[in-house]
Amino acid sequence: KAGVTQTPRYLIKTRGQQVTLSCSPISGHRSVSWYQQTPGQGLQFLFEYFSETQRNKGNFPGRFSGRQFSNSRSEMNVSTLELGDSALYLCASSLEGDREQPQHFGDGTRLSIL
Amino acid sequence: SQQGEEDPQALSIQEGENATMNCSYKTSINNLQWYRQNSGRGLVHLILIRSNEREKHSGRLRVTLDTSKKSSSLLITASRAADTASYFCANPHFTGNQFYFGTGTSLTVIP
Repeated sequence: KAGVTQTPRYLIKTRGQQVTLSCSPISGHRSVSWYQQTPGQGLQFLFEYFSETQRNKGNFPGRFSGRQFSNSRSEMNVSTLELGDSALYLCASSLEGDREQPQHFGDGTRLSIL
Repeated sequence: SQQGEEDPQALSIQEGENATMNCSYKTSINNLQWYRQNSGRGLVHLILIRSNEREKHSGRLRVTLDTSKKSSSLLITASRAADTASYFCANPHFTGNQFYFGTGTSLTVIP
């Protein structure tokens, strides 16, 4: 079974631009969560999607948004990029989004803002 | 912030030795999970311990949980160079599929 796939692996953008990151979950998984990982703040929860609906949201500004498609693939969008948005963005999927199920992570998208 | 903390932040040991890392969390939990992250990769789930369990084993891994102290520990026995990675504890939000991750312990196993 293929794992969680995130594309692209690396991105370089400049301040003010916008970016879209993609995540394909494990086949059959309906829950997709997004996390931001930085050396200073660690792993911070962005949001979770389940059956095309945003079910949980972390404490991030509205510049961060996402969506989920009917095939469970998810995209995350960041508008008006700031230097502080430089981070590793991780996507995780689980079968039903039950908190007792392990999260399966992709290898992330490394976003660098110049 | 509801983020937990791991202790120590970094640990360096010789191959064959045991490695112990600790995690403290802030909220009441349903369960606590441990993950490993190799450099440049995503996180890999290692083990889950429920709030009514005190100890759990999986291969060379042993996890303990003390809910009265809001702490957990991960013991890796007979460590190998391949165990070199960062280790995180994570507890889910009580009502949703939102996880709070600790700050991580960076483990280096020297061959």
